[in-house]
Amino acid sequence: AQSVTQLGSHVSVSEGALVLLRCNYSSSVPPYLFWYVQYPNQGLQLLLKYTTGATLVKGINGFEAEFKKSETSFHLTKPSAHMSDAAEYFCAVTHSGTYKYIFGTGTRLKVLA
Amino acid sequence: GAVVSQHPSRVICKSGTSVKIECRSLDFQATTMFWYRQFPKQSLMLMATSNEGSKATYEQGVEKDKFLINHASLTLSTLTVTSAHPEDSSFYICSALRPTGGEETQYFGPGTRLLVL
Repeated sequence: AQSVTQLGSHVSVSEGALVLLRCNYSSSVPPYLFWYVQYPNQGLQLLLKYTTGATLVKGINGFEAEFKKSETSFHLTKPSAHMSDAAEYFCAVTHSGTYKYIFGTGTRLKVLA
Repeated sequence: GAVVSQHPSRVICKSGTSVKIECRSLDFQATTMFWYRQFPKQSLMLMATSNEGSKATYEQGVEKDKFLINHASLTLSTLTVTSAHPEDSSFYICSALRPTGGEETQYFGPGTRLLVL
């Protein structure tokens, strides 16, 4: 079975500060990991994904995440927060051979001026 | 990027009535779509996998007779909540699977908020 834990349902950062959103997963098979962002009244948009290969994954809008197998983590980071980054972020896990995603509960990011 | 729409975005209905939610892939064909529901402050939970031209596959605990899914074309899947009750009030989100350079990626709709009175 697979599961995802997102620590912190709400995170606030100042504009220009580092963004760090935490995601830990549990999986008995090699995981595929995703980060999605959801803006108000919009669908989930894929930020980045890890399937195989390089463990540091770069996504859109300056975000990146690193797959750390030893820590079962896939934390999302951005060096400098922008006001437009304010949204809800979801981490999800699946594995090869299936498209069924297991989602975390989401983290709402607030960016302070 | 790929666009998936849902209609309606919000619906309020009386207890005992049925509600149909549409999910459309606007610029690609999707043989597989997914239906999720999300309760406040909870994860998206997969309800069922919708396959074009065949019966949907439901997750454990999801009543197939209550949540009817039809995937009659490559761009449209519908979810009908039959005899809705207040406990069915939730946020329903669909996604469509699109081949992308050898891999398939899920693209999500904006969701439909259902309130059953």
